[in-house]
Amino acid sequence: QSVLTQPPSVSAAPGQKVTISCSGSSSSIGDDFVSWYQQLPGTAPKLLIYDNSRRPSGIPDRFSGSKSGTSATLGITGLQTGDEADYYCGTWDSSLSAGVFGGGTKLTVL
Amino acid sequence: QVQLVQSGAEVKKPGASVKVSCKTSGYMFISYGISWVRQAPGQGLEWMGWISAYNGNTNYAQKLQGRVTMTTDTSTSTAYMELRSLRSDDTAVYYCARGLTGGLDFDLWGRGTLVTVSS
Repeated sequence: QSVLTQPPSVSAAPGQKVTISCSGSSSSIGDDFVSWYQQLPGTAPKLLIYDNSRRPSGIPDRFSGSKSGTSATLGITGLQTGDEADYYCGTWDSSLSAGVFGGGTKLTVL
Repeated sequence: QVQLVQSGAEVKKPGASVKVSCKTSGYMFISYGISWVRQAPGQGLEWMGWISAYNGNTNYAQKLQGRVTMTTDTSTSTAYMELRSLRSDDTAVYYCARGLTGGLDFDLWGRGTLVTVSS
């Protein structure tokens, strides 16, 4: 069981918007920055969002991140079939002194 | 070209050890930390630990303490992860990843190394 809780799956139609939630605690999300990763089948994860809402160079502004208290959210607008992937949130947990990830959310673009 | 190149797949018997390498290029090695993340088949990501390429300081996940050792060789800009006393549930793809700011934000990943533990 993961320290961070994500929905197992979400789905939406092409062109629509979807949000993926990530719930933690005061010692995890409540105490540090959140990152988001996209993992396409058979590939390494790719950093989409860091420091809660910052995008690395090359990541389109269709991807956005936010954090409030002990929860974080990834938003994706203008969905494309190429966005079908697993998405993970991650942060540092100060009580565990360890990095922690959510269990992952599978995005299906119908 | 900025990249992390990992060593090839391994098959090990229970109780054995494995050492995975992660050769970096295209950036100043000592300026970033390297974390190791593993992913069991069909499962999510698991953070294993971190090593500073600057001074070799490490921080390991508690569940792996005593079985894992992370090292670096600054002369070859390479990071290593050794896991001992392998069990079947250590079967996973092992990734090395470069830390961006010191948190759990990894901007550069290796392609992964599949380690299979089977008798």
